[in-house]
Amino acid sequence: DIQMTQSPSSLSASVGDRVTITCRASQGISNYLAWFQQKPGKVPKSLIYAASSLQSGVPSKFSGSGSGTDFTLTISSLQPEDFATYYCQQYYSYPLTFGGGTKVEVK
Amino acid sequence: EVQLLESGGGLVQPGGSLRPSCAASGFTFSNYAMSWVRQAPGKGLEWVSGISGSGGSTYYADSVKGRFTISRDNSKNTLYLQMNNLRAEDTAVYYCAKDGEGAESFDYWGQGILVTVSS
Repeated sequence: DIQMTQSPSSLSASVGDRVTITCRASQGISNYLAWFQQKPGKVPKSLIYAASSLQSGVPSKFSGSGSGTDFTLTISSLQPEDFATYYCQQYYSYPLTFGGGTKVEVK
Repeated sequence: EVQLLESGGGLVQPGGSLRPSCAASGFTFSNYAMSWVRQAPGKGLEWVSGISGSGGSTYYADSVKGRFTISRDNSKNTLYLQMNNLRAEDTAVYYCAKDGEGAESFDYWGQGILVTVSS
């Protein structure tokens, strides 16, 4: 199985900050990498697929990059609605696997 | 508008069974693979099972293999998850999720249902 490791597991940031979250796969997954956002008590929301493609309706402040084993999610200017937990997921092979999550909190 | 509506959650005793379903609308159901993803209380997301658009291919996490069976009825636009021999560690919110265009990762999620395994 492919293990997905996210770092950090949590971070504190202020409104307007640029935030970067890292996700590493235990083996190469090409660009079969997605990012999801989840707020407490809410359904996960799909943000990015194919490592860097934004889902429809997702604002351009979110961006993704990477290929192979190392990936990043960047929020260019953090807004109050962006405080949430973010998960990466590989869909290169079954079983599909998620990273452990990164909680973005208010500083 | 794509909608995924789960039902069939609830409280079940250890060793019991449950069969949640996910009713889909707003897209050509048979054209898309579907998955079940769960989230235990206070924990992260865990993929549970997936099925191809035709239903001919199914996939499972090791944690549920041999106990859970995923299926779909394309005539009813409905996805199912037969859960047998349930354990306390299966307690979670269960989401159904739709694959994106071109077999990309999930683009839509259901609202989730709570399955509680407890005596």
